[in-house]
Amino acid sequence: DAGVTQSPTHLIKTRGQHVTLRCSPISGHKSVSWYQQVLGQGPQFIFQYYEKEERGRGNFPDRFSARQFPNYSSELNVNALLLGDSALYLCASSASTFSYNEQFFGPGTRLTVL
Amino acid sequence: AQRVTQPEKLLSVFKGAPVELKCNYSYSGSPELFWYVQYSRQRLQLLLRHISRESIKGFTADLNKGETSFHLKKPFAQEEDSAMYYCALSGGGGSNYKLTFGKGTLLTVNP
Repeated sequence: DAGVTQSPTHLIKTRGQHVTLRCSPISGHKSVSWYQQVLGQGPQFIFQYYEKEERGRGNFPDRFSARQFPNYSSELNVNALLLGDSALYLCASSASTFSYNEQFFGPGTRLTVL
Repeated sequence: AQRVTQPEKLLSVFKGAPVELKCNYSYSGSPELFWYVQYSRQRLQLLLRHISRESIKGFTADLNKGETSFHLKKPFAQEEDSAMYYCALSGGGGSNYKLTFGKGTLLTVNP
């Protein structure tokens, strides 16, 4: 297993555009979480999905949305991009939503908004 | 509100010296605390969690609820310990796995 995979690796967009980021969890993992990591900061929680349902949402505007598919892969969508959305977006998967199941992180997607 | 504070942005020690990376948290309930590590050009990965009470790569961390701290310690630092370290908190209760991270401490172990 290659672990958690994310695509694309890098992305450049302009203000006002829309972006979709993709994540494939480790085989057998049903929970996917998304984090935003701005330069110089720790990751900040955006969403958690489990069994295709949203289980948690961080303090992000409605421009951010996500979904999880029947194969447990996930998409993060960001509308009306702002310069401040430039960040590394991390996806993490785990077997469940319980904290005793380790979260495994992907390599991230680097988004630059110009 | 959940908050994690790592007061040191940078920490530099010599090989063989003891190292302590500080972490303080704010949370009203019973949190679960974690240390994550990111080596150069690698993914963020779990180093240890307080409920496991185990030593990983020579590192230990003790949850001090009185001081609301979860400092990471190693008695003898190695060059391969050089990495970015993040302290993280989960709301606990078993069913909430949203992680709140600190800003991280970059540890450099000099030869």
